[in-house]
Amino acid sequence: EAGVTQFPSHSVIEKGQTVTLRCDPISGHDNLYWYRRVMGKEIKFLLHFVKESKQDESGMPNNRFLAERTGGTYSTLKVQPAELEDSGVYFCASSHTRGGYEQYFGPGTRLTVT
Amino acid sequence: AQSVAQPEDQVNVAEGNPLTVKCTYSVSGNPYLFWYVQYPNRGLQFLLKYITGDNLVKGSYGFEAEFNKSQTSFHLKKPSALVSDSALYFCAVRLTDKLIFGTGTRLQVFP
Repeated sequence: EAGVTQFPSHSVIEKGQTVTLRCDPISGHDNLYWYRRVMGKEIKFLLHFVKESKQDESGMPNNRFLAERTGGTYSTLKVQPAELEDSGVYFCASSHTRGGYEQYFGPGTRLTVT
Repeated sequence: AQSVAQPEDQVNVAEGNPLTVKCTYSVSGNPYLFWYVQYPNRGLQFLLKYITGDNLVKGSYGFEAEFNKSQTSFHLKKPSALVSDSALYFCAVRLTDKLIFGTGTRLQVFP
């Protein structure tokens, strides 16, 4: 069984540019989450999809961040326009609705905004 | 507010010695607790969880953790550390459907 995959693994962009991160969850997992870790601090929740619906987006920092999960499969997280403070590692995770509550994480995308 | 604390930024231990990585939590109700490990250039890997039942839970790679309700702790332990255990360890608590993480503890096991 393939794990959670994320693309790209690294992205370096200039302030003001747009970046789109992609996450492919484990097949059959209805729940998809985005988290990020900024400057070596704690990993913080961004949002949660159940299939294609946003269940909880309370962690999204501002309206420069837009997440989508069309068709309930893969998800994208767009940052537009990017700011310096958006630098960090963005993790995606997925879980099965009838699972044991653990979430399975991807390798992360390291975003650097210069 | 719900939170998780990992009081040690780094833990150093000699190979073969027992290790403990500390975690305390602050949540209302019964906590669902997790430990994850991040090896260099890899994603977070699930180690173990406490949902209910026996306070001592066993996980992957010989790790275990003890849930202590009175001390609101969920410390990660291993009887004999390996150099390959060197990694970043995160404690987390489940809040509704999302995870609240601690700041992480870097474990360094020396040969």
